[in-house]
Amino acid sequence: ETGVTQTPRHLVMGMTNKKSLKCEQHLGHNAMYWYKQSAKKPLELMFVYSLEERVENNSVPSRFSPECPNSSHLFLHLHTLQPEDSALYLCASSQDPRAYNEQFFGPGTRLTVL
Amino acid sequence: AQTVTQSQPEMSVQEAETVTLSCTYDTSESDYYLFWYKQPPSRQMILVIRQEAYKQQNATENRFSVNFQKAAKSFSLKISDSQLGDAAMYFCAYRSDYSGGSNYKLTFGKGTLLTVNP
Repeated sequence: ETGVTQTPRHLVMGMTNKKSLKCEQHLGHNAMYWYKQSAKKPLELMFVYSLEERVENNSVPSRFSPECPNSSHLFLHLHTLQPEDSALYLCASSQDPRAYNEQFFGPGTRLTVL
Repeated sequence: AQTVTQSQPEMSVQEAETVTLSCTYDTSESDYYLFWYKQPPSRQMILVIRQEAYKQQNATENRFSVNFQKAAKSFSLKISDSQLGDAAMYFCAYRSDYSGGSNYKLTFGKGTLLTVNP
């Protein structure tokens, strides 16, 4: 595997379910990000991790819970979601969180909340 | 707060022709970076080109170039000799280089969907 991978690619869940999204980067990067991409809206940054420490939480509801056990893996735990949470969730990584560094994106997980 | 505006939801271009995608942004900061990202139908977003605000020279990457007008807060992307593989959603993005506060946020525009006609 190369680059940034995400699993699953598609997920359908009910509002009472608990599920997790997984992201793995094979680039040796130290920073990882979660973004939400909704139709007709700009990408929204959700969380930033640097060296496994959360450095940004962009006013995200508590029903989204990130976890970064090491610099290569990032999870997004989901529980009691709402239909408006349906979106494409993108993971990204960069060498470090500094501004000039290119962010490398995964293919995304298409989430549908029923 | 910074905002990024892409005023063209959709654009089309003939193969081998040139197209320019517009982007404007609003910021009170002087140090920042601007990016154009491309998201093809397969959804994997990739960086096309990057511009440092402190550089007056416009960035160029092969067929892709930018027209960076700092005073006007404008950052357009020009694609020359358009190819079918250029068809994608293009996002303009801003990131602050201000070290005194949070500079982790990459602020995106809503995107421009580019169609390349054969």
